[in-house]
Amino acid sequence: EVQLVESGGGLVQPGRSLRLSCAASGFTFDDHAMHWVRQAPGKGLEWVASISWHSATIAYAGSVRGRFTISRDNAKNSLHLQMNSVRAEDTAFYYCVKDKGADGYWHFDLWGRGTLVTVSS
Amino acid sequence: QSVLTQPPSVSGAPGQRISISCTGTSSNIGAHSDVNWYQQFPGTAPKLLIYDNNNRPSGVPDRFSGSKSGTSASLAITGLQAEDEATYYCQSYDSSLSGSYVFGTGTKVTVL
Repeated sequence: EVQLVESGGGLVQPGRSLRLSCAASGFTFDDHAMHWVRQAPGKGLEWVASISWHSATIAYAGSVRGRFTISRDNAKNSLHLQMNSVRAEDTAFYYCVKDKGADGYWHFDLWGRGTLVTVSS
Repeated sequence: QSVLTQPPSVSGAPGQRISISCTGTSSNIGAHSDVNWYQQFPGTAPKLLIYDNNNRPSGVPDRFSGSKSGTSASLAITGLQAEDEATYYCQSYDSSLSGSYVFGTGTKVTVL
């Protein structure tokens, strides 16, 4: 089955760190760029970060640049998001998303179910 | 923050045609970046509905269609059905923001 399954969400205190993971299956993982997209409860979608198939091209939204790090392990079909110095405004559902293309810039054709990150003391 | 503007809500009776607008700028939609549309039901992840302005993935009914002109795009639903009640988001790429993918503000469709 073609799917993306996120894990690692939970409650974290402001200023602390959290690492999200995404397990991919049912498609050739290293043929595609991958993204993280988040959605605060009751709010709209916000792109967070992207990584090309070979990790050569990485980009971040301005709101997380310098605090979050996206990475992938093609041997393990996995995507990660290291979240450091988290803030209350980082509270959201985080979706692992597959790009149609290898370098990105196409469209988001497969979404995981999401994992909830809550930043609160 | 959302760079593409959509109406907060649109409603229509079953069988009617509705349209959702997505307004961008010269650095995203107007810069020849393709527009994609996603459908999201409450409590679930978004799903790709229209890609590259006017293409439907396999399994998406042909009552959904997309178009793009200048700095705007539109999603049309003809023959509106109760199961179409959801929130719809447009998405494109913005060349003025380093490596940035941008989403619309989202439109809640209500079937009367």
